[in-house]
Amino acid sequence: ETGVTQTPRHLVMGMTNKKSLKCEQHLGHNAMYWYKQSAKKPLELMFVYNFKEQTENNSVPSRFSPECPNSSHLFLHLHTLQPEDSALYLCASSQASGQGYGYTFGSGTRLTVV
Amino acid sequence: GESVGLHLPTLSVQEGDNSIINCAYSNSASDYFIWYKQESGKGPQFIIDIRSNMDKRQGQRVTVLLNKTVKHLSLQIAATQPGDSAVYFCADRSPANTGNQFYFGTGTSLTVIP
Repeated sequence: ETGVTQTPRHLVMGMTNKKSLKCEQHLGHNAMYWYKQSAKKPLELMFVYNFKEQTENNSVPSRFSPECPNSSHLFLHLHTLQPEDSALYLCASSQASGQGYGYTFGSGTRLTVV
Repeated sequence: GESVGLHLPTLSVQEGDNSIINCAYSNSASDYFIWYKQESGKGPQFIIDIRSNMDKRQGQRVTVLLNKTVKHLSLQIAATQPGDSAVYFCADRSPANTGNQFYFGTGTSLTVIP
């Protein structure tokens, strides 16, 4: 356990479904991130939250909708996804959105869109 | 744009040998670098970091070397063990990046042969 917990670990959903990914950290970190990891590609930053405020949306399609109710929890709401959205979705946290803080990652949610 | 790449996508070494994983980055303003290890079914885990005011940093069995002149980063693993088999990512950060955003390479898959 890294201190960042993601649920579910695996998710299969149809293109018309709505589902949510959950991330929770109890490290006292103030910044949380969503990354997408696809085969043979670098990790792609999707969203950044700093002190519950979204500070970055990296041109992510609107079928992905993040929510950060507090500094410890982060959600990614999914609807009308496409098969190419199948990937490992990683949540990470860091002490703050500032210099020199590395990330702590969760184990990810393996998403398959059918 | 930013690119962080790895010289080899795969590396195989004999158990007990030393491993060297290389990484090139493109942003000369990058000031903080991290190596991550990702085992199958897990999220990336922090291994070691280095700031741009250093050219070498040692941890337990791992050493990171930074050559800012050629924008090159390497990870050396001493006496490689089967448990070291994983994908290794380098990541860099620039003060100009919004928030604490790191850019990740595509990863090198290390296989340790018993």
